[in-house]
Amino acid sequence: DTEVTQTPKHLVMGMTNKKSLKCEQHMGHRAMYWYKQKAKKPPELMFVYSYEKLSINESVPSRFSPECPNSSLLNLHLHALQPEDSALYLCASSQADGGGYGYTFGSGTRLTVV
Amino acid sequence: DAKTTQPPSMDCAEGRAANLPCNHSTISGNEYVYWYRQIHSQGPQYIIHGLKNNETNEMASLIITEDRKSSTLILPHATLRDTAVYYCIVRVALASYDKVIFGPGTSLSVIP
Repeated sequence: DTEVTQTPKHLVMGMTNKKSLKCEQHMGHRAMYWYKQKAKKPPELMFVYSYEKLSINESVPSRFSPECPNSSLLNLHLHALQPEDSALYLCASSQADGGGYGYTFGSGTRLTVV
Repeated sequence: DAKTTQPPSMDCAEGRAANLPCNHSTISGNEYVYWYRQIHSQGPQYIIHGLKNNETNEMASLIITEDRKSSTLILPHATLRDTAVYYCIVRVALASYDKVIFGPGTSLSVIP
């Protein structure tokens, strides 16, 4: 299995809702990442997990709450989002040994906040 | 990580080689050059990476200048499916995780 699977592919949520994005990989990668991408912009790094521990939080608002329950799964919990949070949310994984084959990205979850 | 500079857009005729340049004049000795591409509405895809030597794989070739201050990604026979945004990134591959920061990239249009 050489894929990163993200669910759902599309999500529409109200500003008072609580929802979660899920990311799964079975490549044995021990580093996992969340990126946010607005239209016509490059992906922006949000969070980095290494060996199930949060290593980087790029000053992301607390309405985004990441969770890594095991080495294969990464969640992003969403609460009280704003319309400007509408974006493509990308998950990625990589080997955690400094080795060289870069990230494997999922296809993303397209989030619309109404 | 060192910053990179890429042209915002390029065109290439179908079947011809696409040569995408990248400047990374402040690159350090232990920083690798990576290339990713992102086809519309999909996740970015790893293409190739290198440190000093030129590299080739089934997707592309990477030419790095001797002083390592610039590089060129070559798609030898561009097809319409190669239309995408191409990102050049430099990073240190020593940590237990990567911190990949994407710049604006080059939007490549392959024209029939």
